[in-house]
Amino acid sequence: DTEVTQTPKHLVMGMTNKKSLKCEQHMGHRAMYWYKQKAKKPPELMFVYSYEKLSINESVPSRFSPECPNSSLLNLHLHALQPEDSALYLCASSQVGGMVAKNIQYFGAGTRLSVL
Amino acid sequence: SQQGEEDPQALSIQEGENATMNCSYKTSINNLQWYRQNSGRGLVHLILIRSNEREKHSGRLRVTLDTSKKSSSLLITASRAADTASYFCATSTRNTPLVFGKGTRLSVIA
Repeated sequence: DTEVTQTPKHLVMGMTNKKSLKCEQHMGHRAMYWYKQKAKKPPELMFVYSYEKLSINESVPSRFSPECPNSSLLNLHLHALQPEDSALYLCASSQVGGMVAKNIQYFGAGTRLSVL
Repeated sequence: SQQGEEDPQALSIQEGENATMNCSYKTSINNLQWYRQNSGRGLVHLILIRSNEREKHSGRLRVTLDTSKKSSSLLITASRAADTASYFCATSTRNTPLVFGKGTRLSVIA
């Protein structure tokens, strides 16, 4: 099974809402990632978890709060988002090699988020 | 920044033709990968080439790497309409995660 599953596929939320994005993989990967992607742009790394511990936070605003409850699950909690946060949010996983995961990443299909 | 720059930004070809995309980067790398992304979907890994390799093949894909010029190219031979997608190169060093280039949008016209 080389699948990374993201839910929901689409999400519309107001600026005062609290919502969560979910990501799940069963490949035994111990590194998991959140990316943000705007239209016609490359994915931008937000967070990296390695062995369920946050190893990289790319200066992401605190209105985005990641959580890794176990080695298969990754959540992204959203609160008080801004319209400019509307984007495709991608989750990925990989094996871990050395200090930072650098191997092939497997991506989910993403959550299309619209903030009104 | 380590970020790669793809060239061209957009490419439109007829089905059956070959498509060549180039990627340049700025720092020394451990490996370089190419990913494909269909519109609004997740990325799919295509091929990885290590810094000590010069060329690699996978089916209709051929990747070259020139570390002296800090550049790579992806060739798709005998293109098909289903190859229409965005293609990203991604580089990594020993202690940093993948950094994606800006991408090339390929359109293959049937």
